[in-house]
Amino acid sequence: NAGVMQNPRHLVRRRGQEARLRCSPMKGHSHVYWYRQLPEEGLKFMVYLQKENIIDESGMPKERFSAEFPKEGPSILRIQQVVRGDSAAYFCASSPRTGSEKLFFGSGTQLSVL
Amino acid sequence: KQEVTQIPAALSVPEGENLVLNCSFTDSAIYNLQWFRQDPGKGLTSLLLIQSSQREQTSGRLNASLDKSSGRSTLYIAASQPGDSATYLCAVRAEAYSGAGSYQLTFGKGTKLSVIP
Repeated sequence: NAGVMQNPRHLVRRRGQEARLRCSPMKGHSHVYWYRQLPEEGLKFMVYLQKENIIDESGMPKERFSAEFPKEGPSILRIQQVVRGDSAAYFCASSPRTGSEKLFFGSGTQLSVL
Repeated sequence: KQEVTQIPAALSVPEGENLVLNCSFTDSAIYNLQWFRQDPGKGLTSLLLIQSSQREQTSGRLNASLDKSSGRSTLYIAASQPGDSATYLCAVRAEAYSGAGSYQLTFGKGTKLSVIP
């Protein structure tokens, strides 16, 4: 049973470009969470999705950021017109359902904006 | 707003030593607390999860305790090994209004542990 898969592992973008980060949850998991870890900071919640639904995007910046989790395929975190401040590690986690279960995290995508 | 603090930020110990990592949180209305290990370039690995009604959890050489009323948790590592070198993260899950756990975790910044051979 493969774990949470994120790709790419590293992504380099120039200012103004778009970044697309992908996350495939563990088999049987239908809940996906995105967290961002800025340098020298703790992980911060961004968005929580179930299949075809955004449940809570309260941690997402209001502009340029969007997320989706389609019926088929991975969850996508999209950052448009990236700026240097977007440079961070983006982690995806999944769970079979909400509640008290452990979250299972992927290895993250390190985004570097030049 | 929940805030999670981990002290110390970094710790270096000789191999074989027992050690304690500390985590404190400002809002005691938590549902559970989880300790993670983060290795460079890798994801987070869950080590121990303590429900709010529990006092401690043990797994091998690891023991985590929880004092919900005082807003503190400790992670005790016995007989440390170089392979224990990593960053250890503490994360709390708040109580939701429904009484179940909120789906958001609030993380501390971590303690970077180095175990010297």
